[in-house]
Amino acid sequence: DAKTTQPNSMESNEEEPVHLPCNHSTISGTDYIHWYRQLPSQGPEYVIHGLTSNVNNRMASLAIAEDRKSSTLILHRATLRDAAVYYCIAFYNQGGKLIFGQGTELSVKP
Amino acid sequence: NAGVTQTPKFQVLKTGQSMTLQCAQDMNHNSMYWYRQDPGMGLRLIYYSASEGTTDKGEVPNGYNVSRLNKREFSLRLESAAPSQTSVYFCASGEDRTPYEQYFGPGTRLTVT
Repeated sequence: DAKTTQPNSMESNEEEPVHLPCNHSTISGTDYIHWYRQLPSQGPEYVIHGLTSNVNNRMASLAIAEDRKSSTLILHRATLRDAAVYYCIAFYNQGGKLIFGQGTELSVKP
Repeated sequence: NAGVTQTPKFQVLKTGQSMTLQCAQDMNHNSMYWYRQDPGMGLRLIYYSASEGTTDKGEVPNGYNVSRLNKREFSLRLESAAPSQTSVYFCASGEDRTPYEQYFGPGTRLTVT
């Protein structure tokens, strides 16, 4: 698995876009990039994943740099309910064993 | 469809006491996992089970045992609780394939005094 680096915390205003960065400079060609988030007092939940191309789903978008050494999770319009810790995890196949770092704590101001 | 359920939600133990944390999933997943989360930290894997009848150690297995009772249930046992095991415990289930979309339970908050 590749080591990932994320800012400890970020702030956003409600209804504005949020770009959460993640560096994974040691990523290998087969490592997938996954994003999870953990709302207060809850277990983590899957957000999105990608390999090389940018990805969109109902929750967010994932932009992956051409060299794959970094990625950005994009929340298009932050809501108060998006306040959470966001984890970026990069790996290929380790029996589904997720390795969580410290993540980025996102706060959203009304 | 309840997803992943855990019992109990809260527990206080004295040092040396034992207890079992229960976890069940109704999504027919093959793989199940136990994590712990200490204050201000990310989750760390304790044990996992790739399929019914198999278990394997994760990053922090010392002081714990697990049982994969059947496909639905995966329990975590503390034989002799220690204050260092004070933590929030999360159970998860999923499949060993991309995307690694794991579904987590609500957690058990354990305090050992």
